[in-house]
Amino acid sequence: AQTVTQSQPEMSVQEAETVTLSCTYDTSENNYYLFWYKQPPSRQMILVIRQEAYKQQNATENRFSVNFQKAAKSFSLKISDSQLGDTAMYFCAAQTTKNYQLIWGAGTKLIIKP
Amino acid sequence: EAEVAQSPRYKITEKSQAVAFWCDPISGHATLYWYRQILGQGPELLVQFQDESVVDDSQLPKDRFSAERLKGVDSTLKIQPAELGDSAMYLCASSRREAGELFFGEGSRLTVL
Repeated sequence: AQTVTQSQPEMSVQEAETVTLSCTYDTSENNYYLFWYKQPPSRQMILVIRQEAYKQQNATENRFSVNFQKAAKSFSLKISDSQLGDTAMYFCAAQTTKNYQLIWGAGTKLIIKP
Repeated sequence: EAEVAQSPRYKITEKSQAVAFWCDPISGHATLYWYRQILGQGPELLVQFQDESVVDDSQLPKDRFSAERLKGVDSTLKIQPAELGDSAMYLCASSRREAGELFFGEGSRLTVL
């Protein structure tokens, strides 16, 4: 069975600091996609960043970047220069090309303190 | 900017009553998902549609839940009868295709008393 594990239920950092959220996954498929989604309090879930497993280069979106370690099945999210608006639940998800079903982690609650 | 519309935003009902949620995906999005999210947990897929066809409803409690997307556009999720354990946020999401980015609605929060 495919699983996604987020081992940090909650994290908090000071504004402007860098924070890394951990995610590990387990799949037997060769082709898959990995995602980080953000769910701010009382607002809808939005995509933060996406990584195709066949690409070795780590994806980057402005202050957000990932460290994709395919052999270790690890997909961590780094947020640089954190801002108050980054406070949210962050979910890691994996999607194989076999059935395109998304497998979700339990989430990490990130709090950015002023 | 196009968004996924959901209604109602909030619903309070008594157990054994019927509840319905509506979702209008972004125009042109063929894939539609209904998720249930318990507070503090990740989303749990209830049903996935590709156009008007059900792709996956293996986690849908079919004795009380039903979902339809008759014309391959908007969708309705129904619960009858509602139970206390159904209290949760019900999220609708859509994507252009099966492997695309998911766009989520704001969700419908259900409280069953």
